[in-house]
Amino acid sequence: QKEVEQDPGPLSVPEGAIVSLNCTYSNSAFQYFMWYRQYSRKGPELLMYTYSSGNKEDGRFTAQVDKSSKYISLFIRDSQPSDSATYLCAMSVTGNTPLVFGKGTRLSVIA
Amino acid sequence: KAGVTQTPRYLIKTRGQQVTLSCSPISGHRSVSWYQQTPGQGLQFLFEYFSETQRNKGNFPGRFSGRQFSNSRSEMNVSTLELGDSALYLCASSDRPDLNEQFFGPGTRLTVL
Repeated sequence: QKEVEQDPGPLSVPEGAIVSLNCTYSNSAFQYFMWYRQYSRKGPELLMYTYSSGNKEDGRFTAQVDKSSKYISLFIRDSQPSDSATYLCAMSVTGNTPLVFGKGTRLSVIA
Repeated sequence: KAGVTQTPRYLIKTRGQQVTLSCSPISGHRSVSWYQQTPGQGLQFLFEYFSETQRNKGNFPGRFSGRQFSNSRSEMNVSTLELGDSALYLCASSDRPDLNEQFFGPGTRLTVL
């Protein structure tokens, strides 16, 4: 079993839809949770960063962490064609341990 | 501030050759990490340097090595290339001692024939 599982998609939604992206993990020691966005032929860029359980909101993006279920989510409201990208979840045990990434979910938002 | 730069952007090599990739972090960033990204395995951590010292190492064979210079620029080297080394190699830098907020470069696309 991989440490971090993420559905690769592709996920195709109409513009304006609410998008839900998810990851599950097996290592209960993970405490830091991140979402990165990667456009084609670009490196990943950090979108959201949360510590432990709870919710964090930033504009149209909301990150949720449920440590009891070992499950994290990223919600995108009012999705736009510019949101079309691959979304990678990442997590770490401490600030000084390497990030463990999911394989990414490819999202297409259709105008 | 300029972002993380990686050179070259594209590289084609043959099996058995060696290759050196270069990464220039964002000015002031002292931590540099390297990752390999493939469709099958996703993003996998190779190693991380902080102030010229390797702090973390991933589960890759010894053919993969790296170093960091006093100006924080970093290089990674892959010797005796194999077909399976074909991948996007990403470099990321951070201005903090922790690794959770990293800024990635565009990557070097390595193709091994």
